Amino acid sequence: ELKVEQNPLFLSMQEGKNYTIYCNYSTTSDRLYWYRQDPGKSLESLFVLLSNGAVKQEGRLMASLDTKARLSTLHITAAVHDLSATYFCAVAPSGGSNYKLTFGKGTLLTVNP
Amino acid sequence: DVKVTQSSRYLVKRTGEKVFLECVQDMDHENMFWYRQDPGLGLRLIYFSYDVKMKEKGDIPEGYSVSREKKERFSLILESASTNQTSMYLCASSLAGTGKHFGPGTRLTVT
Repeated sequence: ELKVEQNPLFLSMQEGKNYTIYCNYSTTSDRLYWYRQDPGKSLESLFVLLSNGAVKQEGRLMASLDTKARLSTLHITAAVHDLSATYFCAVAPSGGSNYKLTFGKGTLLTVNP
Repeated sequence: DVKVTQSSRYLVKRTGEKVFLECVQDMDHENMFWYRQDPGLGLRLIYFSYDVKMKEKGDIPEGYSVSREKKERFSLILESASTNQTSMYLCASSLAGTGKHFGPGTRLTVT
């Protein structure tokens, strides 16, 4: 059974600071997704990482994938209040379809002025 | 842009009622999914469908059924609602091998 662990689950940071959210998973995978969810809203796709060493960047967010370590990171650079949200990673088992994505429990990020 | 719509944003039902949650997507996606989201438990897959009239159980199918009569529409049915089915229900769609597009969610309360 594929297990996905995110940490931290709660993150409070000041504007302007940098931080990293970690996503570990238990079996081989070659496809990993990051989503953002604002309070009371649905999930919005941020990044799709398809291969070892993949790096994607959008604004102040950068995601990377290390399939050998079974680890993805979401790095936040110079945080701003608008980044406050819950961030989920989701993993598809290697060699299969992405039907059964397994989600992490999410990281609630609060950026304080 | 893919649009996934759900029939209700908020729904209040009584224990024992039959409940229908509807989801429609407008991008001809083969795959459609129903998740529930609960605090501390994250998203859990209830059912998914990879084609019209085709369905497969997810991780927590008990107490639920689904229907996919047309490609764009995927319905989640609670045959006899119970209080432990109070949750946020999220529908999603995707093409094979791509990321999911989520609907706005339906917050269901069963009293």
